[in-house]
Amino acid sequence: EVQLVESGGGLVQPGGSLRLSCAASGFTFSNYWMHWVRQAPGKGLVWVSRINSDGSGTFYADSVQGRFTISRDNAKNTLFLQMNSLRAEDTAVYYCARNCDSTSCYQSWGQGTLVTVSS
Amino acid sequence: QSVLTQPPSVSGAPGQRVTISCTGSGSNIGAGYDVHWYQQLPGTAPKLLIYADNNRPSGVPDRFSGSKSGTSASLAITGLQADDEADYYCQTFDHTLSGSDVFGTGTKVTVL
Repeated sequence: EVQLVESGGGLVQPGGSLRLSCAASGFTFSNYWMHWVRQAPGKGLVWVSRINSDGSGTFYADSVQGRFTISRDNAKNTLFLQMNSLRAEDTAVYYCARNCDSTSCYQSWGQGTLVTVSS
Repeated sequence: QSVLTQPPSVSGAPGQRVTISCTGSGSNIGAGYDVHWYQQLPGTAPKLLIYADNNRPSGVPDRFSGSKSGTSASLAITGLQADDEADYYCQTFDHTLSGSDVFGTGTKVTVL
């Protein structure tokens, strides 16, 4: 069974940093592109970032470009999101998601971790 | 601000059929990119409901179906049930947004 478990969320001041982790199990992690998607309280889903299977290719939404960095450790089956220069508008539940086998959808999702940016 | 527009809400009685539209443009749905749909029950993570326009993952009932035409896509739910009450999102790729996946604005389905 595919499992994705996020951690690392919490309360951080504006301008601060936070590193999210997503521990994967139940599938061959190194074979799949992975994503981060966020959802502000009471709002819709927003794609944040994606990384290819070996970590050599990364993509970002314009709203986080230059502030967030996605990475992965295939030996430890773990996905990361380093978030710097955090703003109030980054407050959201952050989900990691595994890419589908044959197309660019999100096959499996973690339970999410809440990031709150506030002074 | 999403580039895919969905109605904020739709409702129907148990057993009825409801449809949710997802309107995009020539840089996303109209360019032929696959459209996917997700169901998000209250307080839970989203779940893949339909992929590549009209395909159901295993375990998703055939009451759910998807279609696409031009710059729009639709999700249909037939035989509406109480546990279908959830938020539904469409998703695709947009080639004008630096490699961005995009989600629809979301639709709340209410079972009357």
